Amino acid sequence: GEDVEQSLFLSVREGDSSVINCTYTDSSSTYLYWYKQEPGAGLQLLTYIFSNMDMKQDQRLTVLLNKKDKHLSLRIADTQTGDSAIYFCAHEFLGGYNKLIFGAGTRLAVHP
Amino acid sequence: NAGVTQTPKFRVLKTGQSMTLLCAQDMNHEYMYWYRQDPGMGLRLIHYSVGEGTTAKGEVPDGYNVSRLKKQNFLLGLESAAPSQTSVYFCASRSEGGVYEQYFGPGTRLTVT
Repeated sequence: GEDVEQSLFLSVREGDSSVINCTYTDSSSTYLYWYKQEPGAGLQLLTYIFSNMDMKQDQRLTVLLNKKDKHLSLRIADTQTGDSAIYFCAHEFLGGYNKLIFGAGTRLAVHP
Repeated sequence: NAGVTQTPKFRVLKTGQSMTLLCAQDMNHEYMYWYRQDPGMGLRLIHYSVGEGTTAKGEVPDGYNVSRLKKQNFLLGLESAAPSQTSVYFCASRSEGGVYEQYFGPGTRLTVT
């Protein structure tokens, strides 16, 4: 997406925490999303955060939202090899399109 | 429920050939989408539909046509394939309102030579 930026690659050791970052330009979204794409598969909604929240925790996942800086992050605690995937940040486009704007995706590689 | 299914899974076309990709969903969703995924570019919206009998253009509609004759099906057509259309195509659907949880199909890998 032209207005959602993510770094393309992240490598972590198994058991460490992973932090995937995203910046966006459109601040009008009601929700912001993290989707996960496993090899050879379509995207799956991983988690989302309401735009008036700063943080959301869901088991090993923590989403942080800094609205002032338009920065969204996804932290995965105790990263496992099964977490290896591409992670996409996304927000809604509210200009009558009914669509999501996706970042280019961050490929997370987990090594022993 | 099968969710969102796509056929075919893989296809190789020669330049100038035509084909239709089929997407089907069994969740009674109103909205359906076609995306293409290219390395380093994320997902780009080709066309979408907000209900049976409706279609609309997305970000990259040129060279593609769509039809939504039945609520559960969304077809993507390539009339004259070009090498630039080599990509992985994903279909998605979602229900109206609330959280934008789009349900994705497994994808179709298309190569145009």
